[in-house]
Amino acid sequence: DVKVTQSSRYLVKRTGEKVFLECVQDMDHENMFWYRQDPGLGLRLIYFSYDVKMKEKGDIPEGYSVSREKKERFSLILESASTNQTSMYLCASSSSGTSGGNEQYFGPGTRLTVT
Amino acid sequence: DAKTTQPNSMESNEEEPVHLPCNHSTISGTDYIHWYRQLPSQGPEYVIHGLTSNVNNRMASLAIAEDRKSSTLILHRATLRDAAVYYCILRDYGAGSYQLTFGKGTKLSVIP
Repeated sequence: DVKVTQSSRYLVKRTGEKVFLECVQDMDHENMFWYRQDPGLGLRLIYFSYDVKMKEKGDIPEGYSVSREKKERFSLILESASTNQTSMYLCASSSSGTSGGNEQYFGPGTRLTVT
Repeated sequence: DAKTTQPNSMESNEEEPVHLPCNHSTISGTDYIHWYRQLPSQGPEYVIHGLTSNVNNRMASLAIAEDRKSSTLILHRATLRDAAVYYCILRDYGAGSYQLTFGKGTKLSVIP
């Protein structure tokens, strides 16, 4: 069974703290993604990576950075957490290829609260 | 990516078929039509995708209009477990993009 795991389901951090969200996939996928989901705004792409050490900005990269040192692991970093980064964070992975499918597999999400 | 339009919400009785519509009048020739769903407190999951022909899998069927400007996701017998938000998404493979752009989706309620 395919699996995307995220390090925590719930996380509470203080304003100004550095926050690491970890995501691991066991499907040998080339592509990995970080989204955030907020009520009324839907899912929005923060960053994605199509290869080790490669990254591309999504729609809302401000205030975030990412790291992909190994193929199976993609980390989202909040350098200095702020209250407007309170959200549900979702990681996903997909294979490359041109079949037209390339479905994304999502993790269960991390609900981050910044106080 | 081209835009999709879905109803905000729909209701269905348990064990009846459900037809979830999606309009995508500006679809391009290289856009695939994808459907994902998100159950409460979970990440989204892939349901089905297609390009021109109707598609079936173990979860659902996808009916695509001949002009490709609309599509319908069909759940043949709704169960309580199918209560979720359903997203219709266009992906342009011609642009080499692997991103998904989620809209607001349709919230499906299933009545016992």
